[in-house]
Amino acid sequence: EADIYQTPRYLVIGTGKKITLECSQTMGHDKMYWYQQDPGMELHLIHYSYGVNSTEKGDLSSESTVSRIRTEHFPLTLESARPSHTSQYLCASSVTVGGYTFGSGTRLTVV
Amino acid sequence: KNQVEQSPQSLIILEGKNCTLQCNYTVSPFSNLRWYKQDTGRGPVSLTIMTFSENTKSNGRYTATLDADTKQSSLHITASQLSDSASYICVVSDRGSTLGRLYFGRGTQLTVWP
Repeated sequence: EADIYQTPRYLVIGTGKKITLECSQTMGHDKMYWYQQDPGMELHLIHYSYGVNSTEKGDLSSESTVSRIRTEHFPLTLESARPSHTSQYLCASSVTVGGYTFGSGTRLTVV
Repeated sequence: KNQVEQSPQSLIILEGKNCTLQCNYTVSPFSNLRWYKQDTGRGPVSLTIMTFSENTKSNGRYTATLDADTKQSSLHITASQLSDSASYICVVSDRGSTLGRLYFGRGTQLTVWP
């Protein structure tokens, strides 16, 4: 079944640690996105990719980085986590404009 | 400035009742409007999508309307169920760029009580 998967679902980590949030999709979508969402707030685009070896920063400034070595894989990395990075991170993919499929998200807590 | 405003911010209704959620937007040029349902701690799931020429779109007990002239949309939920408790997000896409940028509302938090 085609879908988009995010791991881990929940992560509690200490300040200064390096973390990688995984996102994979089996739909062959070229476009992939990372959004950040705080409770009760709208989603903010932090990174996007049009295809392999293509990555761009989104609207919300983020200290995270992304890579797109394979079509199906779009991991997000934080080199040194801080409490201000505590949030929910949502990955999405699309083949058409506006036709997004979202993953279940990773809820990150940095202590 | 392109914006999406939703109302009410939160809503509590009894099981079996109907409700209507509102979305006003200023996004231009308009491409499409989607309503998403987001359960707590999960990613958004698409309910309906409407383009400029569509006025109404239904998905089971969910019916969305769009008035492109006044830039307003509504999501009507009929015969609510406990499982309808979630945040409902209005998302508008523009066609001014190849990215097809999405503008998100903050959502309406719906709680259905037994």
